[in-house]
Amino acid sequence: GQQVMQIPQYQHVQEGEDFTTYCNSSTTLSNIQWYKQRPGGHPVFLIQLVKSGEVKKQKRLTFQFGEAKKNSSLHITATQTTDVGTYFCAGLYAGTYKYIFGTGTRLKVLA
Amino acid sequence: GAVVSQHPSWVICKSGTSVKIECRSLDFQATTMFWYRQFPKQSLMLMATSNEGSKATYEQGVEKDKFLINHASLTLSTLTVTSAHPEDSSFYICSATLAAGLTGELFFGEGSRLTVL
Repeated sequence: GQQVMQIPQYQHVQEGEDFTTYCNSSTTLSNIQWYKQRPGGHPVFLIQLVKSGEVKKQKRLTFQFGEAKKNSSLHITATQTTDVGTYFCAGLYAGTYKYIFGTGTRLKVLA
Repeated sequence: GAVVSQHPSWVICKSGTSVKIECRSLDFQATTMFWYRQFPKQSLMLMATSNEGSKATYEQGVEKDKFLINHASLTLSTLTVTSAHPEDSSFYICSATLAAGLTGELFFGEGSRLTVL
C-alpha cells in the first residue's frame, strides 16, 4: 500500500541550531501537508504544498515540495524550545481524498 | 480557524464494555469526518471515513463491527468501540475539513485516550 516515510525518527538539537525533517513517498503525490503535534496534543496544520518544486516560508520554517512530487522537507532555522513536538507530513494521492500521514519526526530542543 | 471538539478526553472502561466517542464541528458543517488511531509515539493511522447520512468507509484491516461509526448530522460523528479489550487501548482522534473536495486543511479534535482494563 501507499506509505509515507519520514526521517529522522527523532532529533535532539541545541536551542539555536537548525533542524530538517524529510518526507518521502514511493509514488507521486497530488499535494502534501505538514502538521505539528505537541506532546499530549492534537495535530495542527502548518502548510499545504501543491506545485512541483514549490517552496513556502513561514517565519523560521521553510517547506519544500520536490520536483517529482514524491518528497518534501521542512526546515526550521534557529530552533526554539517552542518548536518541540512531532512533525508529520501527510500526502494525498491522485484519485483519492484521504491523506496518508508520514511516520513523523519527533523534535526535542535543549535549552 | 474551524473548531472540532471531541468528547470525552479520557475514558477508562472495563473489558467487554462499549465506549462512545463524540466528534463535533462547532462552527461549520462537516459532511465528512475522519477517524484515526494513534499508538504512543507513532503516526496517525486512518481507521475510517465518516459520511453524513450514509455508511462509513473503513480502511483495510479495521473491523467495522468493532468500531461503529455513525454520522447522524452535519456536525456530529460518533465512534463506538464495542466490547472493548485491552488491545483497544489507544488515542483516538477525529478530523474534518472545510474544503468541498476534502483536500484542504484538516482540523483535528483534541483526541480521546481510551484505557481498557
